[in-house]
Amino acid sequence: QITLKESGPTLVKPTETLTLTCTFSGFSLTTSGVGVGWIRQPPGKALEWLALIYWDDDNRYSPSLRSRLSITKDTSKNQVVLTMTNLDPVDTATYYCARLALWGGNYFDSWGQGTLVTVSS
Amino acid sequence: SSELTQDPAVSVALGQTVTITCQGDSLRGYYASWYQQKPGQAPLLVIYGKNNRPSGIPDRFSGSSSGNTASLTITGAQAEDEADYYCHSRDSSGNHPFGGGTKLTVL
Repeated sequence: QITLKESGPTLVKPTETLTLTCTFSGFSLTTSGVGVGWIRQPPGKALEWLALIYWDDDNRYSPSLRSRLSITKDTSKNQVVLTMTNLDPVDTATYYCARLALWGGNYFDSWGQGTLVTVSS
Repeated sequence: SSELTQDPAVSVALGQTVTITCQGDSLRGYYASWYQQKPGQAPLLVIYGKNNRPSGIPDRFSGSSSGNTASLTITGAQAEDEADYYCHSRDSSGNHPFGGGTKLTVL
């Protein structure tokens, strides 16, 4: 059974840095064809892809947020960490991590429950 | 371009068939995947690859693609299918955008 869970602060002040951790089980991020991504969803709005890290350490970032994002993995702890700098109230959203599978396509087949992050002074 | 475009809202009568579409240049080279999201819940994968359903997804959900358009079809829509639906794909640069979502109402 694959599970993912996001953790981190629920309230962040403007200009601060957000660090979110995705802790997963049921798969390994050393397995070929696997990745973990971060996706966010502002209240009442659409999903927005943020970043992705693959089993081979390759990573990708949303072009519009690339300068503010960093994604890393710790395979020994089964964790992926997303860092976002210079937070703004428009970054208020539910942040999800999800497993990306590359077998027969590119798809997020398992998702965490999400964590709501509010940016406010 | 990595943008994926969806109609904001679609409605279907109970038991009828509905198709939700997703347009984007990246779909000419990569399969779309489709996600169902109900209020307060995380997205759920319903279709991936050429036309594959994860375990537990009813066979009334199917996917297809032609040119720059991917489609999700629900044959015999049920009340529990009322939800937001998002498409997703990768592009040639390795980005993974989502469409803007389609709100499906079952009448």
